[in-house]
Amino acid sequence: GDSVTQMEGPVTLSEEAFLTINCTYTATGYPSLFWYVQYPGEGLQLLLKATKADDKGSNKGFEATYRKETTSFHLEKGSVQVSDSAVYFCALTVPGGYNKLIFGAGTRLAVHP
Amino acid sequence: ETGVTQTPRHLVMGMTNKKSLKCEQHLGHNAMYWYKQSAKKPLELMFVYNFKEQTENNSVPSRFSPECPNSSHLFLHLHTLQPEDSALYLCASSPGQQNTEAFFGQGTRLTVV
Repeated sequence: GDSVTQMEGPVTLSEEAFLTINCTYTATGYPSLFWYVQYPGEGLQLLLKATKADDKGSNKGFEATYRKETTSFHLEKGSVQVSDSAVYFCALTVPGGYNKLIFGAGTRLAVHP
Repeated sequence: ETGVTQTPRHLVMGMTNKKSLKCEQHLGHNAMYWYKQSAKKPLELMFVYNFKEQTENNSVPSRFSPECPNSSHLFLHLHTLQPEDSALYLCASSPGQQNTEAFFGQGTRLTVV
């Protein structure tokens, strides 16, 4: 079945460090890929998305590239801030699935000054 | 403000109680979803509604009963819950078309005592 696998957290970084959170997927057809972020006490917010192979999604300094050959959608940021501390979820939707999102387990990021 | 509003934000209920969670969206979306978020578990899709019709029930126990009276409102009726049902319940909506993202409410934190 369709699934998403994320690297386990927590990921702990110092401010201004480089961030990578790995995400790989298994899907039938050609999925759309998303990164969502959840700040403490809140729901999920869309961070970025990519809808076809080689697309790069970007927002707030975060980037992820849809790699069909490696079935990956890794999240990167060149310089993290304390305010980036949150839980990050990789997700996919598949065609014909009424756009239901299938999520990875989430990766908690803690950024220290 | 994501356009999806959930009430209440917090709920404590006994195992013999009956309560309801409410979700409202004014984004003009056609699809609405209930997700369950438990500690240390991936987000679980519970129900999907498209144009008020239930299109997915992800093997959810009958003590959870969804209702979608119109495209803007979604309810989750709860009765005779168990302590392991304590979780954050998230509502989401989307246009329902391929490649579009979902918008989430802030969730209802449910505690069953």
